[in-house]
Amino acid sequence: DIQMTQSPSFVSASIGDRVMITCRASQGISNWLAWYQQKPGKAPKFLIYGASSLQSGVPARFSGSGSGTDFTLTITSLQPEDFATYYCQQATRFPLTFGGGTKVEIK
Amino acid sequence: EVQLVDSGGGLVQPGGSLRLSCAASGFTFSNFGMTWVRQAPGKGLEWVSSISGSGGSTYYADSVKGRFTISRDNSKNMLYVQMNGLRVEDTAIYYCAKSYSGTWTRGFDYWGQGTQVTVSS
Repeated sequence: DIQMTQSPSFVSASIGDRVMITCRASQGISNWLAWYQQKPGKAPKFLIYGASSLQSGVPARFSGSGSGTDFTLTITSLQPEDFATYYCQQATRFPLTFGGGTKVEIK
Repeated sequence: EVQLVDSGGGLVQPGGSLRLSCAASGFTFSNFGMTWVRQAPGKGLEWVSSISGSGGSTYYADSVKGRFTISRDNSKNMLYVQMNGLRVEDTAIYYCAKSYSGTWTRGFDYWGQGTQVTVSS
């Protein structure tokens, strides 16, 4: 199975900050990686596919990069509605696997 | 507008059974793979099972293999998971999710609201 390791697991940031979340795969997954945002009590929201392609309607302050085993989700100029938990997911083979999550909280 | 509505959760004793349903609308259901993802209380997301658009291919996490059965009825735009031999560790919110593309490689672009499954004596 492909293990997905996210870091940090928790980040405290202020409005306007840039936040970077990393996701590492235990083996190469090309660019078959997706990112999701989840707020308490809500279903996950699809942010990015193909490691760097922004889903329609997602603000441009979100961006993704990486290929192979190392990936990054960047949020530039953090907004109040961005405080949430973020998950990466490898989409290259079954079993599909998620990272453990990164909670972005207000400093 | 794409919509997924999860239902069927509840409280069940260990060893019991439940069938979850997901009603889909707003897209050509048979063209897309569908998936169940669960989230235990206070925990992260866990992939459970997926089924191809035709229903001809199914995939399961080791933790549920042999106990859960995923299925779909493309004439009714419905996704199901039959859960037998439920264990306390199956307690979670269960979400259905739609594949972004015809394959599994792009992630899940729409999710149901989730249905709570609680396994307890």
